[in-house]
Amino acid sequence: QKEVEQNSGPLSVPEGAIASLNCTYSDRVSQSFFWYRQYSGKSPELIMSIYSNGDKEDGRFTAQLNKASQYVSLLIRDSQPSDSATYLCAVNMGGSSGDKLTFGTGTRLAVRP
Amino acid sequence: EPEVTQTPSHQVTQMGQEVILRCVPISNHLYFYWYRQILGQKVEFLVSFYNNEISEKSEIFDDQFSVERPDGSNFTLKIRSTKLEDSAMYFCASQQGRTTGANVLTFGAGSRLTVL
Repeated sequence: QKEVEQNSGPLSVPEGAIASLNCTYSDRVSQSFFWYRQYSGKSPELIMSIYSNGDKEDGRFTAQLNKASQYVSLLIRDSQPSDSATYLCAVNMGGSSGDKLTFGTGTRLAVRP
Repeated sequence: EPEVTQTPSHQVTQMGQEVILRCVPISNHLYFYWYRQILGQKVEFLVSFYNNEISEKSEIFDDQFSVERPDGSNFTLKIRSTKLEDSAMYFCASQQGRTTGANVLTFGAGSRLTVL
């Protein structure tokens, strides 16, 4: 079974610190990777997409992809209390899996003021 | 900013009743999806829809489920005879295409279904 694994947390960081969220995936042929933020009771909201090995930066967020290690991460710099949410890693495994996204269970982030 | 619209936001129904959840995807998107999230669990794929037909469905999407795009704008999920275990948040999502950058999924706000 094709899986996406995340540490469920909670990950607690002080305000202003860097939060590091990690994700591994099982299907080596996966091509598209996404980080979504989900506040309690709300829908997933796209934070970052990444398709190539290396880093991709957008404001305070940096996504990192290492396809050889089947690993994708999200760094949040200068963490704010408003960043407190569950962060979902999602992978489009393509191929026989079609276009659907496979989600991890999410990592709950708590930013302490 | 374009958004995916879902109605109702919350529906309570009795076990065995039929439920229809409605969605209006983003207008220039071509691929449509239903996902669900049982409370405290991960977001799970139900079905994908393209070119007026189902392109893929999960094991969850059994004969009790159906989808339809009756008028070129609405995209509906019907559960024919609801069970207690159908209680979940149902998310509609759409994406513009399949190529890099176009395959970004935008979610609606969700429809919470409670089956009593």
